[in-house]
Amino acid sequence: GAVVSQHPSRVICKSGTSVKIECRSLDFQATTMFWYRQFPKQSLMLMATSNEGSKATYEQGVEKDKFLINHASLTLSTLTVTSAHPEDSSFYICSARERVYSYEQYFGPGTRLTVT
Amino acid sequence: DAKTTQPTSMDCAEGRAANLPCNHSTISGNEYVYWYRQIHSQGPQYIIHGLKNNETNEMASLIITEDRKSSTLILPHATLRDTAVYYCIVRVGGGGFKTIFGAGTRLFVKA
Repeated sequence: GAVVSQHPSRVICKSGTSVKIECRSLDFQATTMFWYRQFPKQSLMLMATSNEGSKATYEQGVEKDKFLINHASLTLSTLTVTSAHPEDSSFYICSARERVYSYEQYFGPGTRLTVT
Repeated sequence: DAKTTQPTSMDCAEGRAANLPCNHSTISGNEYVYWYRQIHSQGPQYIIHGLKNNETNEMASLIITEDRKSSTLILPHATLRDTAVYYCIVRVGGGGFKTIFGAGTRLFVKA
């Protein structure tokens, strides 16, 4: 099946700094990518949807200036957490859809962010 | 997208079949039933999906009632590695859909 990778798998950063998380579709082109966050013992919460070459669409309550999403190519999307704070510590998961009418959504392994 | 209702948790003995129910009484005619699972600290894994017919693959079987208001995911011979949170999701196909996760069912497979 299609593979989605994330880098890094774990990152620790200091409060006030920014951190970038990469999401890559390894063997297919992703017209659409999704970013989720997950707090301990909770379900995944959709943050935003990004289409290649256009601006991301953010879910209600998600700050677009804090969570910058770039989907510049068909195989790479990045999420930058700007001016990170301890409450941004979470598990961030990306997902990719191959074609506009593909029925399957492939998930990455997740990135554990810890802000100290 | 329609909402789903799943039990919070379930237990299953190793080697026995695990039957995970899901209610989706407001499902629309063009919405599919999808199942994913998430093992601790990993990304979700696709299991199976269907529209109205029962489906089977190497991982599981999906039984959808005739009125499509509920479904059951069956893991025929559960192993300890099947311990995970299982998510039942209904969504339309085609462009523009989003996958929204509910709380899911935490399945414990016990030796």
